[in-house]
Amino acid sequence: ETGVTQTPRHLVMGMTNKKSLKCEQHLGHNAMYWYKQSAKKPLELMFVYNFKEQTENNSVPSRFSPECPNSSHLFLHLHTLQPEDSALYLCASSRSPQTPLGSEKLFFGSGTQLSVL
Amino acid sequence: DQQVKQNSPSLSVQEGRISILNCDYTNSMFDYFLWYKKYPAEGPTFLISISSIKDKNEDGRFTVFLNKSAKHLSLHIVPSQPGDSAVYFCAASKDDKIIFGKGTRLHILP
Repeated sequence: ETGVTQTPRHLVMGMTNKKSLKCEQHLGHNAMYWYKQSAKKPLELMFVYNFKEQTENNSVPSRFSPECPNSSHLFLHLHTLQPEDSALYLCASSRSPQTPLGSEKLFFGSGTQLSVL
Repeated sequence: DQQVKQNSPSLSVQEGRISILNCDYTNSMFDYFLWYKKYPAEGPTFLISISSIKDKNEDGRFTVFLNKSAKHLSLHIVPSQPGDSAVYFCAASKDDKIIFGKGTRLHILP
């Protein structure tokens, strides 16, 4: 399989649950990202990992905890979420953590649609 | 405060005609501008980009125009095809940051 794969596609969880989102890229990329897309809002960058090291934490609450065990896998661990955290969570990768980032293409997964009850 | 604005939430265009999607930005320091396209139940895919040192970039049916003095860019699709129906995100980049707009939903009418 090629590209960026996210699982699960859909997730419903209660506020006291703990769950994890998984992302895997088969492109040989070295940078991976978590984005959040809420209804009627722009895509918001949450976390950036370059060569497995976290380089960006965009003021994300601690109830979201990322993990990058290697350059192909990225997780987002969720605990004690709030209903306002319901959104589409998108994983992306790029070839390398170059700047300017705009010269790189981001490759996105299909996302996990999360509903917090 | 939004740095990248797509003021039209949706746009309907007849098949075969030109689709023009607009985007405004506030930060004159952005050095790249990009367009991504998103189908339902899929992630966004890269469509076309332009460096801030250029004013036009063309790739097949897609052309992006950049007007730096107006801090405005537009995506032209001609001729529009049914498969172009999707949400289009404008994005602007500086160093290691990319800022996305809210998106415009394009409907191509038969």
